[in-house]
Amino acid sequence: DVKVTQSSRYLVKRTGEKVFLECVQDMDHENMFWYRQDPGLGLRLIYFSYDVKMKEKGDIPEGYSVSREKKERFSLILESASTNQTSMYLCASRDLTGSNSPLHFGNGTRLTVT
Amino acid sequence: KNQVEQSPQSLIILEGKNCTLQCNYTVSPFSNLRWYKQDTGRGPVSLTIMTFSENTKSNGRYTATLDADTKQSSLHITASQLSDSASYICVVPQFGNEKLTFGTGTRLTIIP
Repeated sequence: DVKVTQSSRYLVKRTGEKVFLECVQDMDHENMFWYRQDPGLGLRLIYFSYDVKMKEKGDIPEGYSVSREKKERFSLILESASTNQTSMYLCASRDLTGSNSPLHFGNGTRLTVT
Repeated sequence: KNQVEQSPQSLIILEGKNCTLQCNYTVSPFSNLRWYKQDTGRGPVSLTIMTFSENTKSNGRYTATLDADTKQSSLHITASQLSDSASYICVVPQFGNEKLTFGTGTRLTIIP
């Protein structure tokens, strides 16, 4: 089974702090994704990556950046955390067989910015 | 605009009863639709995928249907169990790229 591991289940940060969310997958998947999930809004794509050192903006990239230095690891960075970034963050990976492949999600990081 | 709408938003049923969740989409062109189950505090897990040519597919007590003409899918759960309590999310990819359109989910609660 694919395992996607997010380093923290819960994080509490102060406004203005730089925040790192880490995600590691163990199935050699090319594609990795960061989503945020808010009540009533569904999952929204922040950034995704096709390969090492490659990244593409999703639907809501403002205030975020990403890093993919190794194939198995995809990091989400909040440059200066704000209260409107309080959310559940989900990392996912998928192999390179087109849109029929399922996403494999981590269990999420619930971030609170105060 | 590509949209995926799910109904109802929430549903409470007694253990052992059946239920049906609905998903309507406007994504075009259409290639497939996937249902995910998300337990509380966990990430979503794929239940089943419906491709353009499929009408019905079963996975244990879960049966998904697809009507590509009316752009509707349903997920029917038979003989519900307490472990079926979860959010069920319908997802449709924008054809040819990695962008997925997610529904907002149906929160299902099974009570004993």
